[in-house]
Amino acid sequence: QQQVKQSPQSLIVQKGGISIINCAYENTAFDYFPWYQQFPGKGPALLIAIRPDVSEKKEGRFTISFNKSAKQFSLHIMDSQPGDSATYFCAPKTSGTYKYIFGTGTRLKVLA
Amino acid sequence: DTGVSQDPRHKITKRGQNVTFRCDPISEHNRLYWYRQTLGQGPEFLTYFQNEAQLEKSRLLSDRFSAERPKGSFSTLEIQRTEQGDSAMYLCASSYRGTSGTDFYNEQFFGPGTRLTVL
Repeated sequence: QQQVKQSPQSLIVQKGGISIINCAYENTAFDYFPWYQQFPGKGPALLIAIRPDVSEKKEGRFTISFNKSAKQFSLHIMDSQPGDSATYFCAPKTSGTYKYIFGTGTRLKVLA
Repeated sequence: DTGVSQDPRHKITKRGQNVTFRCDPISEHNRLYWYRQTLGQGPEFLTYFQNEAQLEKSRLLSDRFSAERPKGSFSTLEIQRTEQGDSAMYLCASSYRGTSGTDFYNEQFFGPGTRLTVL
């Protein structure tokens, strides 16, 4: 059984602070590592993603760090804003398929 | 085309009834996915189509669930003899696979979901 463990479950950050969400996996047969953002009543939307041959990727205020040997990847949100308040999911893709395994989610609240 | 659409947005049914949901993907997308999301959890993969072919189906699905994509465009998900445990948000997503052999990583675009309540 492939397992994806996401932490923390919830996170409260002051405006302008850094939000860090972690995802650990047990199965090495993942070949694509995206993070999704979901607002209440909406479907998830891709935020940023990384391939396993890259250790870090930055897009604006969002950065993914990938540690292949530790089987972990994390999302960093710099200068967090109240509009970033949402639930975030890691969702690595199983190699050779199009099956994505979503984490349990992290509910982020950014205080104004 | 404004994105993936799902119909209905909400469905309330009694236990034992059959329900069918529809998903219309983004028009040029040839891959279509179904997920189930319960409160406080991440989406769980149910099944995936490339064009009209159903390429993978989760073991989580019992034989009460069936999905079709007859012409490679819209898809339907049917649940027969619904149970209270089927109550969840059912999400559809689509993505596009280019003709390039290196276009392996693709973005899924999700619809707003159909919320099912089984009484």
